[in-house]
Amino acid sequence: GQSLEQPSEVTAVEGAIVQINCTYQTSGFYGLSWYQQHDGGAPTFLSYNALDGLEETGRFSSFLSRSDSYGYLLLQELQMKDSASYFCAVRNSGNTPLVFGKGTRLSVIA
Amino acid sequence: DVKVTQSSRYLVKRTGEKVFLECVQDMDHENMFWYRQDPGLGLRLIYFSYDVKMKEKGDIPEGYSVSREKKERFSLILESASTNQTSMYLCASSFSGADNEQFFGPGTRLTVL
Repeated sequence: GQSLEQPSEVTAVEGAIVQINCTYQTSGFYGLSWYQQHDGGAPTFLSYNALDGLEETGRFSSFLSRSDSYGYLLLQELQMKDSASYFCAVRNSGNTPLVFGKGTRLSVIA
Repeated sequence: DVKVTQSSRYLVKRTGEKVFLECVQDMDHENMFWYRQDPGLGLRLIYFSYDVKMKEKGDIPEGYSVSREKKERFSLILESASTNQTSMYLCASSFSGADNEQFFGPGTRLTVL
């Protein structure tokens, strides 16, 4: 089986930095992905980590430590529009579909 | 831009009705997926397909079936709708070998009365 754990809710101040953690338990591992979903919208792909380390894309970065079965999404210079749900997702192998976490609802406040 | 479209944004059906949810993608993706999303439960995979005519059960296939007669179209069927199938249904697609990046449709909010 497989499971992913991420906090259900996070609140942060506009302009600040926030880190959303994800720990996973899987029989195999084929990468960690992150998705963003605004209320009423569809999930959209943010990032993918196959190897250990930090991947940066603008204000967003994603980190992976395979030895710790752990990753995080880092959002810098928070903006109100970053208020959304963020999902981590993993694959066991190249032939199995993504399994999503239950999501973290980020609220950015002024 | 990749586009995944779903036949209805909102749908209201009665218990026992047969329900068809259609999904079409225009990017020649091999992989297609159906999820349902409920508050606090995240995205749960119902069925997926890695090729035309091919289908695989996801985590919660009970009460559902699917059809993939053409590469671009993946249909979700509720044989006899029940109230516990009231949910948001999301379709997604991806390239073979690049499944970590899925493209989602806008979703269908299904209410079963």
